[in-house]
Amino acid sequence: DAKTTQPTSMDCAEGRAANLPCNHSTISGNEYVYWYRQIHSQGPQYIIHGLKNNETNEMASLIITEDRKSSTLILPHATLRDTAVYYCIVRVKTGTASKLTFGTGTRLQVTL
Amino acid sequence: NAGVTQTPKFRILKIGQSMTLQCTQDMNHNYMYWYRQDPGMGLKLIYYSVGAGITDKGEVPNGYNVSRSTTEDFPLRLELAAPSQTSVYFCASSYPTGTDTQYFGPGTRLTVL
Repeated sequence: DAKTTQPTSMDCAEGRAANLPCNHSTISGNEYVYWYRQIHSQGPQYIIHGLKNNETNEMASLIITEDRKSSTLILPHATLRDTAVYYCIVRVKTGTASKLTFGTGTRLQVTL
Repeated sequence: NAGVTQTPKFRILKIGQSMTLQCTQDMNHNYMYWYRQDPGMGLKLIYYSVGAGITDKGEVPNGYNVSRSTTEDFPLRLELAAPSQTSVYFCASSYPTGTDTQYFGPGTRLTVL
């Protein structure tokens, strides 16, 4: 699976959009980009995933560049409850048990 | 649905003791996983299972054992606990369709002294 690079930490004002970048320059054509988050030592929570098209759900939007070497997770209106560690994971969607590789992620701090 | 439940929430062990961490899911997921998370680090996969009676090693299996006798339960056994096993342990489960949407339990915080 391709390696990912994320900033160690970011700050965002409440109500503003939080844009979390992820670099995955060695991604292969059949590898998906997944985002999870972990709030204060709870179990990680799935957010969104995509292959090459931009994706949106009730939690966030995922923007993947045309060359697929990087992506951005967007939380459109960040709240204090979005303070968490965000993990960007790249792996093949094989239909078998997925052995996710969690790095150290980006610690997002949402402030008043 | 309760989702993925784990017991106990906290446990302190002495070096050399053994214990079993319990994990149960009520979503009828075929796939189940055990991860550990050391302070300030990401999660590392210990063992996983693709169905009852089938288990396989992950990245850091040494010092642990698992079994999967039912779809719902996936216990993790620690034999001869060591301080290096002090960590937070998370159990997860997912559908067999490969969406990679894993659902995690709340974790068990284990300290070995």
